[in-house]
Amino acid sequence: GAVVSQHPSRVICKSGTSVKIECRSLDFQATTMFWYRQFPKQSLMLMATSNEGSKATYEQGVEKDKFLINHASLTLSTLTVTSAHPEDSSFYICSASTGANTEAFFGQGTRLTVV
Amino acid sequence: AQSVSQHNHHVILSEAASLELGCNYSYGGTVNLFWYVQYPGQHLQLLLKYFSGDPLVKGIKGFEAEFIKSKFSFNLRKPSVQWSDTAEYFCAVNAPGGRRALTFGSGTRLQVQP
Repeated sequence: GAVVSQHPSRVICKSGTSVKIECRSLDFQATTMFWYRQFPKQSLMLMATSNEGSKATYEQGVEKDKFLINHASLTLSTLTVTSAHPEDSSFYICSASTGANTEAFFGQGTRLTVV
Repeated sequence: AQSVSQHNHHVILSEAASLELGCNYSYGGTVNLFWYVQYPGQHLQLLLKYFSGDPLVKGIKGFEAEFIKSKFSFNLRKPSVQWSDTAEYFCAVNAPGGRRALTFGSGTRLQVQP
């Protein structure tokens, strides 16, 4: 199946700093990628839809100025958590699919800890 | 809006026991249905999917699921679990031809004891 690579897998940052997470589709082009957040012992919640060459679409309640998404190419989307605070600590997961009505492939996830 | 309910949060079974994990969804139209598995420390992997056709879907590793439209259900089954099936299982849906983002259930943690 297709491969989605996410980097880094773990990051610890100080409160007030920014962190960038990368999501790459390794063997296919993805015009759309998705960013999810997973709290401990809870499900994945969609944060935003990343669209190549255009603005991301954010879900209700997700601060677009805090979670900056850039989808500069057909194989790369980045999520930047700006001015991170401890409450932003979470597991962030990206996914992409090769087209409509196909399965989604997931990255390994990034565990962010803000101290 | 779509929603997905997984009734079992934590299931503990002995090896060779049969497994059934419940999944119900709420959505007024046609849906695509998925089961994903997340092994400890690994990323989500697709177990099986249903788009259309035969409502009994067979996936990898001996798993199967049955779509029952009248019950809005897509339960996951395996006749005989193994220790290596210990993982978190997620049911998910999206709308065909529409928004491709998935709506996930809360997940079921399966623990298989040797």
